[in-house]
Amino acid sequence: DTAVSQTPKYLVTQMGNDKSIKCEQNLGHDTMYWYKQDSKKFLKIMFSYNNKELIINETVPNRFSPKSPDKAHLNLHINSLELGDSAVYFCASSQGLADNEQFFGPGTRLTVL
Amino acid sequence: AQSVTQPDIHITVSEGASLELRCNYSYGATPYLFWYVQSPGQGLQLLLKYFSGDTLVQGIKGFEAEFKRSQSSFNLRKPSVHWSDAAEYFCAVEGGSYIPTFGRGTSLIVHP
Repeated sequence: DTAVSQTPKYLVTQMGNDKSIKCEQNLGHDTMYWYKQDSKKFLKIMFSYNNKELIINETVPNRFSPKSPDKAHLNLHINSLELGDSAVYFCASSQGLADNEQFFGPGTRLTVL
Repeated sequence: AQSVTQPDIHITVSEGASLELRCNYSYGATPYLFWYVQSPGQGLQLLLKYFSGDTLVQGIKGFEAEFKRSQSSFNLRKPSVHWSDAAEYFCAVEGGSYIPTFGRGTSLIVHP
């Protein structure tokens, strides 16, 4: 009965590879997000989708491409991985935009070697 | 532009002692304010939020926060800390742009 789930939990890969992280929410929410948390625990929003449409794209390199096949899923595909992409990536969802509580997934720890 | 400052990187308290975590924000009007907690290896969980009205907000797990417009602050408090409260605490502000800004976090260490 996990509200927001992400797979995989850990991802170790070589520079230059392409990888995907999947996210699913069973809360019936309209809005989903991707965040990046760096090694100093600084959390920054990357993308937000509302009803499968991109709402927020916070100057993220175009190597990162989110895809929302339906309201319950928001996947993150990363091309040509770089060392600086190593971080914990969190998916989150909320009932709507703005003043709504966000529910976070457990995170995916990406390590680029 | 909105910003959040959490001036304390680490806070150490003894179990049973009171706790106050500081959060200062910068925004032209009254923003939406949040406190989240992150336990090790977990995602963030909302403790409480302020949008308007009563400036003292009650949250889960016995936490409360007080919005002080004059000080641009939204400090988190708990009267008696439990060992299970050891975690990372994040203050966040959202000013109507749908883009929340999180502080750097404060790591709470609880001594028995």
